[in-house]
Amino acid sequence: NAGVMQNPRHLVRRRGQEARLRCSPMKGHSHVYWYRQLPEEGLKFMVYLQKENIIDESGMPKERFSAEFPKEGPSILRIQQVVRGDSAAYFCASSLRLLAGANNEQFFGPGTRLTVL
Amino acid sequence: DAKTTQPPSMDCAEGRAANLPCNHSTISGNEYVYWYRQIHSQGPQYIIHGLKNNETNEMASLIITEDRKSSTLILPHATLRDTAVYYCIVSNFGNEKLTFGTGTRLTIIP
Repeated sequence: NAGVMQNPRHLVRRRGQEARLRCSPMKGHSHVYWYRQLPEEGLKFMVYLQKENIIDESGMPKERFSAEFPKEGPSILRIQQVVRGDSAAYFCASSLRLLAGANNEQFFGPGTRLTVL
Repeated sequence: DAKTTQPPSMDCAEGRAANLPCNHSTISGNEYVYWYRQIHSQGPQYIIHGLKNNETNEMASLIITEDRKSSTLILPHATLRDTAVYYCIVSNFGNEKLTFGTGTRLTIIP
């Protein structure tokens, strides 16, 4: 059973370009989360999605960032007009959403390291 | 979600038990304590979680005080591969986002 897959693993963009980060959850998982980790900092929650729905985007910057999780295919985190401050590691996680008290463990992917020149 | 406080760093000799403390004095009754670790910029890895009873799995043990205001993660026989940043997170079911603090950087000494 493959784990959470993210691609690309490394992405280099120039200022003003678009970055698209992909995340394929574990088989059977319909809940996806995106986190951002700036250098030497902890992970910060960005967005939580279920299939075709955004559940919580409270950590997502209001401009230039968007996320989707279509019925078919991977979840996409899209950053338009990237700036140097967007350089970070972006982690995706997936989970089963079980009953209260059950282990709602989030399984993390290896991350995409975005560098903006 | 309740905030947590962890020491920024700890060392432990290889083969010994590593005990990582966490304070969560503002935890509420329906909040769980989760532990994750991140090995050198890899994706975080779930370790264990608990509500009020002590828990044990193949990786670690979790000891939660009776008042639930603090907990300790125990790695019984630390190996060099346990060197990582360990995050203690408090979260209630239904609030799916994990709030990572700065964690404890655990270094296992050969």
